[in-house]
Formats: sequence, C-alpha cells, structure tokens
Amino acid sequence: QVQLVQSGAEVKKPGASVKVSCKASGYTFTSYDINWVRQATGQGLEWMGWMNPNSGNTGYAQKFQGRVTMTRNTSISTAYMELSSLRSEDTAVYYCASGRQYSGYEIWGQGTLVTVSS
Amino acid sequence: SYELTQPPSVSVSPGQTARITCSGDALPKQYAYWYQQKPGQAPVLVIYKDSERPSGIPERFSGSSSGTTVTLTISGVQAEDEADYYCQSADSSGTYQFGGGTKLTVL
Repeated sequence: QVQLVQSGAEVKKPGASVKVSCKASGYTFTSYDINWVRQATGQGLEWMGWMNPNSGNTGYAQKFQGRVTMTRNTSISTAYMELSSLRSEDTAVYYCASGRQYSGYEIWGQGTLVTVSS
Repeated sequence: SYELTQPPSVSVSPGQTARITCSGDALPKQYAYWYQQKPGQAPVLVIYKDSERPSGIPERFSGSSSGTTVTLTISGVQAEDEADYYCQSADSSGTYQFGGGTKLTVL
C-alpha cells in the first residue's frame, strides 16, 4: 500500500546535525513533492519545507533557511531532511508528508522523534 | 511572516455541529487544507482545496470559504471526532503555514 516509512528516533547534542530519512512505497516516488513538518511536544504543526523528488528543487520556510537541507535518492525512493546546528528547541517529532498537487498531504510518515540534549 | 489564526478550542455536545474557523489574508487566493490529529498519531487530511473531502472521510466533515476565512464544519459530531484540527494554506510566495490548531472537545 501507499506509505512513507521514516527512520528511527535520534538523540543529538546541541550543535550537532541530524538526518532523517523517509522511504516511499506503493507509488511513483518522483510524482509528488515530499514535505517536512515538525511538532514539538504539546505544540502545533510547523511547516519546514518541500522538495520535488524529480528535479531536486526545494523550498524552505524562512525560519530554517541556512540550517535545513532536503535531498533525495531516487534509486531507493527515499527523501532526507538534514537539520544542522541543533538546539534544544529543535526537540520535536519530524514528519514527512506527500500528496498530489493541490490535494494536500494525503500520506504521512509515522514521525521521527529527535531529541536534542546535552 | 504569514499567519493563519484559529480559535484555541471549540466544545460541542454529541450530535451537534462544530465549526472551526481559520483566518488569513491570503485565503481568498490560496487553497486551504484541514488536518485532524489525535494524540500520538500523525495528522490525517480531512479537507483539501477548501471544500473537497478525501475518500474515506465521513460526509459529516465539510469545508467552506468566505473572504479571508475558511471554516471546517463537522455535522452530527461524534465522540471519535475529538481531536486537534489544523488549517494549512500558502502565502503569495508559495510558502506554506499551519494555523495554531484548535482542540475540539466533545462534551
């Protein structure tokens, strides 16, 4: 079935980087943008950016410009989100999500908890 | 930065109608989307393109748009509808944003 499966939980120290993966199955990976959304405990959803898996083009929320990089490996239908210079405020569940154009985020990954702690 | 404003909470009794609003300056020109999120789960899309309902979403969920406000309406609310609801839309540059979320309580 159509699904996005993310990598497991991570614990990082302040200043480090984290790279979360998102593997697509059940559909053509290059057909729909991959978006990344995060959610701190007890807080709302925060949009981080998007990537077109076909072209590799990206668009990032201004808040994360310079700290986030979204890439992909089409041969294994996997998208990646790397966040650098981590701080405690980056502790959150990170989701990848995808869907047809103008159809919203129809498919979500299960989420990856990233904990930033010294 | 672009903001989408939602009420923090809405409460209704079972069988009543719940309306959750979302306001933003770009909403007249950009589609809105609505997501339902239950504790410990990933969000689920319940409305896209302002008023379209994905397959598998109950007919009691509907969306509408008027000017700078979009509204998610849940008719005949059931206990299972208790969740957080988020609107999403884009600004003129194509940057997306979520509203702050609305906690729906079924009394």
